[in-house]
Amino acid sequence: DVKVTQSSRYLVKRTGEKVFLECVQDMDHENMFWYRQDPGLGLRLIYFSYDVKMKEKGDIPEGYSVSREKKERFSLILESASTNQTSMYLCASRASPNGKLLFGSGTQLSVL
Amino acid sequence: DQQVKQNSPSLSVQEGRISILNCDYTNSMFDYFLWYKKYPAEGPTFLISISSIKDKNEDGRFTVFLNKSAKHLSLHIVPSQPGDSAVYFCAARGSQGNLIFGKGTKLSVKP
Repeated sequence: DVKVTQSSRYLVKRTGEKVFLECVQDMDHENMFWYRQDPGLGLRLIYFSYDVKMKEKGDIPEGYSVSREKKERFSLILESASTNQTSMYLCASRASPNGKLLFGSGTQLSVL
Repeated sequence: DQQVKQNSPSLSVQEGRISILNCDYTNSMFDYFLWYKKYPAEGPTFLISISSIKDKNEDGRFTVFLNKSAKHLSLHIVPSQPGDSAVYFCAARGSQGNLIFGKGTKLSVKP
């Protein structure tokens, strides 16, 4: 069964910590994405990558960075976590720009 | 400015009746639209899509209608079931191929 796996379902961090959110897909997909979901705001794109070592800013990249060293893995990094980064983080991948997005189960991050 | 709008944050429907979820968009260049369904504590799952060359696509109980002149699409669920209770996101494919999502509509289907 093909899937997108996010390493943690729930995470609690302190303000100022560096946080790593990991995402792995087993479908050899080219494109990978990080979104955050907040009540009343929908899904907002943080960063995306169309290939290994490649990254592009989405709509809300401030306070985040990403890493894609291998095709199957796309990491989201919060350089210095802040309380306004408390959110549900969703990783997604697809085979091509015409393919459908397949999402992971999400990581609910709380920054205290 | 929002390019994809779901103006109803919530909708409540009786089991067995029709659920109609609406979505408006502003960019006439969008060529592909999708609906995703999301349960709490899970990632969104793809439900149904429609290309701009069509005005209707049907899959079982789910039908999506597209009105290009009005820049409006709607998702119809008939008959609605309690298991359909979830948040529904409308999305449009933009120029880079990225999906632009609406804010979502929370559907509650009451037994």
